[in-house]
Amino acid sequence: EVQLVESGGGLVQPGGSLRLSCVASGFTFRDSWMTWVRQAPGKGLECVANIKEDGSDTYHVDSVRGRFTISRDNARNSLYLQMTSLRAEDTAVYFCAREGRVGTYSYGENNYHYYGLDVWGQGTTVTVSS
Amino acid sequence: DIHMTQSPSSLSASVGDRVTITCRASQSVGPYLNWYQKTPGNAPKLLIYGTSNLHSGAPSRFSGSGSGTEFALTISGLRPEDFATYYCQQSYTAPTFGQGTKVEI
Repeated sequence: EVQLVESGGGLVQPGGSLRLSCVASGFTFRDSWMTWVRQAPGKGLECVANIKEDGSDTYHVDSVRGRFTISRDNARNSLYLQMTSLRAEDTAVYFCAREGRVGTYSYGENNYHYYGLDVWGQGTTVTVSS
Repeated sequence: DIHMTQSPSSLSASVGDRVTITCRASQSVGPYLNWYQKTPGNAPKLLIYGTSNLHSGAPSRFSGSGSGTEFALTISGLRPEDFATYYCQQSYTAPTFGQGTKVEI
């Protein structure tokens, strides 16, 4: 079964740190881009960070850049999000998701791929409050 | 970052209705536009990828259209389980989502 399981959420004081983990199973983890998406209470979805298959390329949204760091350990089929200098506005459910290659199309002599967040974990809740 | 704007933010509908949600990108994303369904307490589900392709397991009453900067999701014949929040997401660059459209009774 294809599965992602997050852990590491909890209650933390403003300015504190947390490390989220996501363990993958049922697919070849090292072949997939991976993403952290969060949803604050009453708000929409926000991509927080993503990371290339081999970890050589990462993206962090402006609101977390310099405070959060995405990383992965392909030997352990694991994705991480190190969160520091946490703020009240970081309170959210954090999901890890696979950016799967969900489709392919041809244009001329070239093939191109579509990517979508096709596998999701159940989410882990982070609450930043004093 | 590419900014995505959905409209409306919410809508009221009835079982059996045809519903259309629109999504606009701040710059062209080509065909790289996905749609997700989110219900409270559950993870989002991918419905449509590449503007108009139905993801495995998604019901055929969902369809997508558009290109470049203007896109739409249509639900033909709303069913009770379709009352949810829908998000567009561009996959042309680092993923960004629209603000969501809540479909309620």
